[in-house]
Amino acid sequence: GENVEQHPSTLSVQEGDSAVIKCTYSDSASNYFPWYKQELGKRPQLIIDIRSNVGEKKDQRIAVTLNKTAKHFSLHITETQPEDSAVYFCAALNTDKLIFGTGTRLQVFP
Amino acid sequence: ETGVTQSPTHLIKTRGQQVTLRCSSQSGHNTVSWYQQALGQGPQFIFQYYREEENGRGNFPPRFSGLQFPNYSSELNVNALELDDSALYLCASSLVAGGGVETQYFGPGTRLLVL
Repeated sequence: GENVEQHPSTLSVQEGDSAVIKCTYSDSASNYFPWYKQELGKRPQLIIDIRSNVGEKKDQRIAVTLNKTAKHFSLHITETQPEDSAVYFCAALNTDKLIFGTGTRLQVFP
Repeated sequence: ETGVTQSPTHLIKTRGQQVTLRCSSQSGHNTVSWYQQALGQGPQFIFQYYREEENGRGNFPPRFSGLQFPNYSSELNVNALELDDSALYLCASSLVAGGGVETQYFGPGTRLLVL
């Protein structure tokens, strides 16, 4: 079955710096890769997603890149702000089920 | 916020008991997926319901079962509760149409504690 690995597990950055979180997946049949942000005690919220026919997608300060050959995708957050602090999960859609990574705890210090 | 709702928000049960969790999907969505999120971990796929039928299942035992109703709302039932079932249970709704890839939107979750 599909397996998604996510790195790093924790990431601390200064406000205004960029943050990058990387994920790899194992099954080339996976065709959709969303990123979710989860604040403490709250639901995962979709922040950006990318489909397998696209290599890059950007939404304001957030961008995602996908390398299908290498089976990895990355989340890039620029100009980080304290409110970006949360746990971020990558996921891969494989036969209708989302397989999640283990999460990255991002801390943005003012 | 998404239009996905779940009830109850919190629940405490003892080992061996049974529990039913409920999910109302976002308007216009026809598919509900259920996930278990243990503390400090990513959500784990339990199963998905589409058109009132189970449409895929993760590595969970048969004591985890579900239903989907004609209005696309869904229930997750867990029998013979074990301590390890303590977790946040999330449902996610999506629209499956024409074989396209669908985005899943999560509800707020039900936090279950098994004592």
